[in-house]
This record gives sequence, structure tokens and C-alpha cells, in this order.
Amino acid sequence: GAVVSQHPSWVICKSGTSVKIECRSLDFQATTMFWYRQFPKQSLMLMATSNEGSKATYEQGVEKDKFLINHASLTLSTLTVTSAHPEDSSFYICSARELTGNTGELFFGEGSRLTVL
Amino acid sequence: AQRVTQPEKLLSVFKGAPVELKCNYSYSGSPELFWYVQYSRQRLQLLLRHISRESIKGFTADLNKGETSFHLKKPFAQEEDSAMYYCALNYGQNFVFGPGTRLSVLP
Repeated sequence: GAVVSQHPSWVICKSGTSVKIECRSLDFQATTMFWYRQFPKQSLMLMATSNEGSKATYEQGVEKDKFLINHASLTLSTLTVTSAHPEDSSFYICSARELTGNTGELFFGEGSRLTVL
Repeated sequence: AQRVTQPEKLLSVFKGAPVELKCNYSYSGSPELFWYVQYSRQRLQLLLRHISRESIKGFTADLNKGETSFHLKKPFAQEEDSAMYYCALNYGQNFVFGPGTRLSVLP
């Protein structure tokens, strides 16, 4: 099946620094990728929808200047947490849907854990 | 607006008992519905989709347009079914997930 990979799987950074998380579709092309945040034992929170070649659509309450999303190619989307603070510590997950797929299925990355000190 | 609700945050059943995880949606068009599952320390993965009308790991889900529901059922729960279950609605390029139900199957 289709594989989505995230990197890094875990990152620890100092407060005030910026962190970039990559989401790659390894064996398929994805026009649309989604970014989520997940707190421990809680539900997914959709942060933004990322479309290749255009600006991401952010959900209400998500700061677009804080969470920069770039979807420069059909296989890569990046989430940059700018000037990270401890409250940004979380599990970030991406998902992608296949360009030619008509089933609508989403494929999820393994997640990236961000710890801000 | 499109919405997916899962009324139970946590559902505990004993092994061998039937289980039903509820999902209701609101969408004026023709819905495409899915169940995703997240086992402990694993990524989210597709469990089943309504258009396939298949049974995966003993789970089935029937789309009821009249009740706008897509409940997930299994006649005999197993301990390995313990996980987080998300109902999802796909419309156009968008996906809407429900808040999830944590299923705990007790020995």
C-alpha cells in the first residue's frame, strides 16, 4: 500500500528556535496533504490542508505565521513551527491522498513528536 | 456545515461481547465515509470504507442515509481490538474526522 513518511520522528528544541517537519509520500503523488496535531490520548486536530503549488488552508484558531506549511512538490509537504515555545510541544501527524486515487483514502505518516524545552 | 460526531469518548466492553461504535454525520451531498483505527504506538490506518461494503477484522459498518449514521459493529470483540477509532467523512478534497472513540476490550 501507499506509504507516507515523516521526518524527524522526534525532535527536541530550545524555546525560540524553529523546527521543520517533513512529510513525504514515498510511492505515490499527493495533491493534498493534511497536517494534524494530537495531544496525548486525545483526538486529531486538523491544523491545515496543504495543496501542491498553492497556499495552505488553515483551520480556525491555527496561526499561519506560527505554523508555516509548504507543499512544493507532489511528494513533499513541510510544516515549520516558528519560534517554538513549550506549549507547541505535541505530536504532529500528516496524511496524504493519492493524486489519481478515487477511493478517497488517506494515508498517514507515523507522526513527529516535538518537545520544546 | 459538514460534521462528524462520535458520541462516546470511551467505550469499554468485555472480550467476546458485541461492540458498536457510533458515528453520525451531517452532509447534504452523497457522503463517502470511512473508519480509521489507531492502535497503540502505531500510525492511523484505514479500517474500512462504506463503498467497499467489506468486513475487516470482523468489523462491519453500514451507511444509513435516513439516520445519517455509519456505526461500526463487531459481534465478538477481541482484546486486540483495543484502539482509538475515528469516523471520517470525505467530500471533495476535504476530510472531516470525528473526535474519536477509544475502545477498550477487557479480558
